[in-house]
Amino acid sequence: DAMVIQNPRYQVTQFGKPVTLSCSQTLNHNVMYWYQQKSSQAPKLLFHYYDKDFNNEADTPDNFQSRRPNTSFCFLDIRSPGLGDAAMYLCATSTKGADQPQHFGDGTRLSIL
Amino acid sequence: AQSVTQLGSHVSVSEGALVLLRCNYSSSVPPYLFWYVQYPNQGLQLLLKYTSAATLVKGINGFEAEFKKSETSFHLTKPSAHMSDAAEYFCAVSGNEKLTFGTGTRLTIIP
Repeated sequence: DAMVIQNPRYQVTQFGKPVTLSCSQTLNHNVMYWYQQKSSQAPKLLFHYYDKDFNNEADTPDNFQSRRPNTSFCFLDIRSPGLGDAAMYLCATSTKGADQPQHFGDGTRLSIL
Repeated sequence: AQSVTQLGSHVSVSEGALVLLRCNYSSSVPPYLFWYVQYPNQGLQLLLKYTSAATLVKGINGFEAEFKKSETSFHLTKPSAHMSDAAEYFCAVSGNEKLTFGTGTRLTIIP
């Protein structure tokens, strides 16, 4: 089945230690998204790629970076995680068009020690 | 700017009863609207979408939603709740390649 895969499902890191979360897709979608979701809240968009064009949300902290080396893969880098960055991180993909749904991975739950 | 409002952060229904989750939208143009479901420790799964083809939209797992322009609503319903429907439900509106989510409604099913 075509899908969006996030690895790892659970990630524990230390305060201030860089961490990378990964996302891959077999849907061949040209748009990829990263969301942060805290407990009992809606997902919050961090940034998205349309092909290789990077679009950062205005309120995304500089601590969060992303890379998309090819169509299939996208990475979220957190340079110096703080306790407030503990959350579920969701990757999603879609084709271009406002009527197109986004397809989500199962997320990576990040804990900060 | 487009937005959606979900009325009721928590809804409880008895097994077999009608499920009604409310969503109202605000949009200056005809909206594209979506309902997603999220089970614990999982990503969001698309239930259904409205893209102006038909006002009554049928989705997966027996859910459906009706687009009512006069009421700016897109409420989600299911005739008979099942224990497996317990989850968080998000209404969302699409624009500029982005989804704007509502705050979510947690659905609890009472045995």
